[in-house]
Amino acid sequence: DAKTTQPPSMDCAEGRAANLPCNHSTISGNEYVYWYRQIHSQGPQYIIHGLKNNETNEMASLIITEDRKSSTLILPHATLRDTAVYYCIVRPLNTDKLIFGTGTRLQVFP
Amino acid sequence: NAGVMQNPRHLVRRRGQEARLRCSPMKGHSHVYWYRQLPEEGLKFMVYLQKENIIDESGMPKERFSAEFPKEGPSILRIQQVVRGDSAAYFCASSRGRGGDKNIQYFGAGTRLSVL
Repeated sequence: DAKTTQPPSMDCAEGRAANLPCNHSTISGNEYVYWYRQIHSQGPQYIIHGLKNNETNEMASLIITEDRKSSTLILPHATLRDTAVYYCIVRPLNTDKLIFGTGTRLQVFP
Repeated sequence: NAGVMQNPRHLVRRRGQEARLRCSPMKGHSHVYWYRQLPEEGLKFMVYLQKENIIDESGMPKERFSAEFPKEGPSILRIQQVVRGDSAAYFCASSRGRGGDKNIQYFGAGTRLSVL
């Protein structure tokens, strides 16, 4: 029972920024937002996570709205290898498990 | 994904046999999670273990499935008397601990179980 809503698919041209949205309108005050991706047949790969502030690492940036009801994962310069299913996950405070939804299938094209 | 080691990568079993899947967590991690991904479906949580303890097994089927994480050695997911419906990719993840940054889960490459 995922607490997030994501578009099922998106396309992005190689070299352009990929902006993947996620709605989590029922998020609680202390719940983190995690992003993972799964490249075909591989294990999920951790990308980034955040609580309130925007976050950036070597892979991506995470922008969380002030009301925390939505967020956007930004891949600044998408490559063909970024083609994957991207999962936005809000992990409830009282559990350690990750609840994966259906994610967004990002297709990067040349 | 590097760091969490799962073996075997591929496992073929006939109906009624036993399947044993192994997972060695990343160095410094003492928390292990098992997830299952059925064909064309999303990942589903199965079980969460710390050393010698099962913390949450809410996603484990009631019969034939068991998991352990002994004091020494890898975590084992055991499936007895496999059926065709057990064919799936089984992923293991590990983390340093609970809460906040310590709970970031890193996944292995998975074991693909095929039941003939």
